[in-house]
Amino acid sequence: GAVVSQHPSRVICKSGTSVKIECRSLDFQATTMFWYRQFPKQSLMLMATSNEGSKATYEQGVEKDKFLINHASLTLSTLTVTSAHPEDSSFYICSARSKDRNSPLHFGNGTRLTVT
Amino acid sequence: GENVEQHPSTLSVQEGDSAVIKCTYSDSASNYFPWYKQELGKRPQLIIDIRSNVGEKKDQRIAVTLNKTAKHFSLHITETQPEDSAVYFCAATVFGNQFYFGTGTSLTVIP
Repeated sequence: GAVVSQHPSRVICKSGTSVKIECRSLDFQATTMFWYRQFPKQSLMLMATSNEGSKATYEQGVEKDKFLINHASLTLSTLTVTSAHPEDSSFYICSARSKDRNSPLHFGNGTRLTVT
Repeated sequence: GENVEQHPSTLSVQEGDSAVIKCTYSDSASNYFPWYKQELGKRPQLIIDIRSNVGEKKDQRIAVTLNKTAKHFSLHITETQPEDSAVYFCAATVFGNQFYFGTGTSLTVIP
């Protein structure tokens, strides 16, 4: 149980375009989803927290207008990287937990974004 | 937000030996501390967790200890095997609001 699906797994886009990444909880209701960015051989940096039906809470230093997060349902959250630039190239990974605040995080399989 | 520090960044042990990874956190309100294992190219997987009302938890070869006063917690892997080789991350959260991760430890178990 507790499966989180993330798509696409890889995407290459041109500089200036926007890319949407989807994160779905397949067998549980994800009240809260978290978006992380991971650089090679580095840790998971929390970008934002999204609660279903509410605006996302962004971590300090993360541009909310550049990284648009939508959590419209209990099973789907999306991250849109707007006007992507090469420095946005990274591994983006979502995670989700259920309404139970004591429940652990379950991760998607990540999206490798390359901006050319 | 919470600041989680993790040491060491890399760790090599001989097969059969023990491995210990340590983390400290800054927010005394943090009450849940999971550990994740991430193999190359794969998603992080929860391996063990501990809550603030418990000082130690064990699951076969893996154990976690928590010292709330000192605000640090540790992962212990005994009788290591080559398949234990991976990157391990600790994390801390206050009631599941945000999960902050440590910087990761790359563990290599030498056969």
